Amino acid sequence: QSALTQPASVSGSPGQSITISCTGTSSDVGAHNYVSWYQQHPHKVPKLLIFDVTNRPSGVSDRFSGSKSANTASLTISGLQAEDEADYYCSSYRSHGKAVFGGGTKLTVL
Amino acid sequence: EVQLLESGGGLVQPGGSLRLSCAASGFTFDSFAMNWVRQAPGKGLEWVSGINGRGDTTPYADSVKGRFTISRDNSKYTVNLQMDSLRAEDTAIYYCARAVRVDDIVAFDSWGQGTLVTVSS
Repeated sequence: QSALTQPASVSGSPGQSITISCTGTSSDVGAHNYVSWYQQHPHKVPKLLIFDVTNRPSGVSDRFSGSKSANTASLTISGLQAEDEADYYCSSYRSHGKAVFGGGTKLTVL
Repeated sequence: EVQLLESGGGLVQPGGSLRLSCAASGFTFDSFAMNWVRQAPGKGLEWVSGINGRGDTTPYADSVKGRFTISRDNSKYTVNLQMDSLRAEDTAIYYCARAVRVDDIVAFDSWGQGTLVTVSS
């Protein structure tokens, strides 16, 4: 049950925009619009940022946005801020009722 | 306010068993699927298992299928994870997580603080 593929790390300067990719297969990311994104600061609990590819829970900044094309989903963070430095995980529904996470991406704000 | 409180973690020998519990409050429990997600030390998140609001759908990750059993008691607002035949690779923080919908196993909008399970001799 291999994980979704994310870049190990990305970086950007304050004010810039960055995009984190999440590549799966036609059995998960490509098959369903059930992709979610999470932010996790060190030693903290994960926080839901995006669900159903593009939806933001109430209270989540509109600087976070999600999209999907074929087997790859993406999280874009605009107007990068120091507090955005964290680990980011994608997840997707996979056939036969299972879920799968990506390996995680460490975001560094320069 | 949604609250999830896990309990039951600890040190167990390989081959042993442990039962985790998650006590929920602050929402209508049977209207949401519940899940367990784990994180090994210094590693990423791994979905373990989920259970829908009615408790009649219980998918598992391949890594734990046949060894772990998830259940819920809607009258007591609790979800449990019975873990048998534990292995060293099961060592992790186990999070209880509420899904955004009654049948959802992917989007988790509320998380507990986690309980640490260590499998070692």
